[in-house]
Amino acid sequence: EAGVAQSPRYKIIEKRQSVAFWCNPISGHATLYWYQQILGQGPKLLIQFQNNGVVDDSQLPKDRFSAERLKGVDSTLKIQPAKLEDSAVYLCASSLHQGASGYTFGSGTRLTVV
Amino acid sequence: SQQGEEDPQALSIQEGENATMNCSYKTSINNLQWYRQNSGRGLVHLILIRSNEREKHSGRLRVTLDTSKKSSSLLITASRAADTASYFCATDEGAGNMLTFGGGTRLMVKP
Repeated sequence: EAGVAQSPRYKIIEKRQSVAFWCNPISGHATLYWYQQILGQGPKLLIQFQNNGVVDDSQLPKDRFSAERLKGVDSTLKIQPAKLEDSAVYLCASSLHQGASGYTFGSGTRLTVV
Repeated sequence: SQQGEEDPQALSIQEGENATMNCSYKTSINNLQWYRQNSGRGLVHLILIRSNEREKHSGRLRVTLDTSKKSSSLLITASRAADTASYFCATDEGAGNMLTFGGGTRLMVKP
């Protein structure tokens, strides 16, 4: 079974620029998650999708972050404009459905904002 | 906010020794999961224990859950250098099955 694919692997941008991350979950997985992991910390949930609908985005900084999953498969996460404190690894994960045993994570996109 | 808190934050042991990591959490859960993360990589699901279970085994891993104390432990027996990684507990809570991670334990196993 193919894993969760994320791109790009690394990204360096200047503050106030915009950036987008892409995620392709495991085929058939209805639930998709975006997490932000700052160096030395545990992942923090940004947004959870069930198919193409948002289940929870309470921790998404909506003034600068946006995410979509238009056809219920791939998803993109965008930051506009980026701040220095957005430097982190952005992890995408998917599961068969809510409450399924264990998530499958992608390798993440490491973002550095300078 | 983080639901689970791991203890210790860092652990260094010799190959062959056992490693024990603890996790405490604050609210009711559906289940508790443990993940491993190698440096610069994504997280790998290790084991899930449901709220009505007390102990679970998987290979060299043993997980316990005490819902009265809102705590869990992960034991890795006969550790190997390849076990060097960060280990995170994550609690599945609420109707939306949100997974909330703790800060992790950084384990180093010296050959």
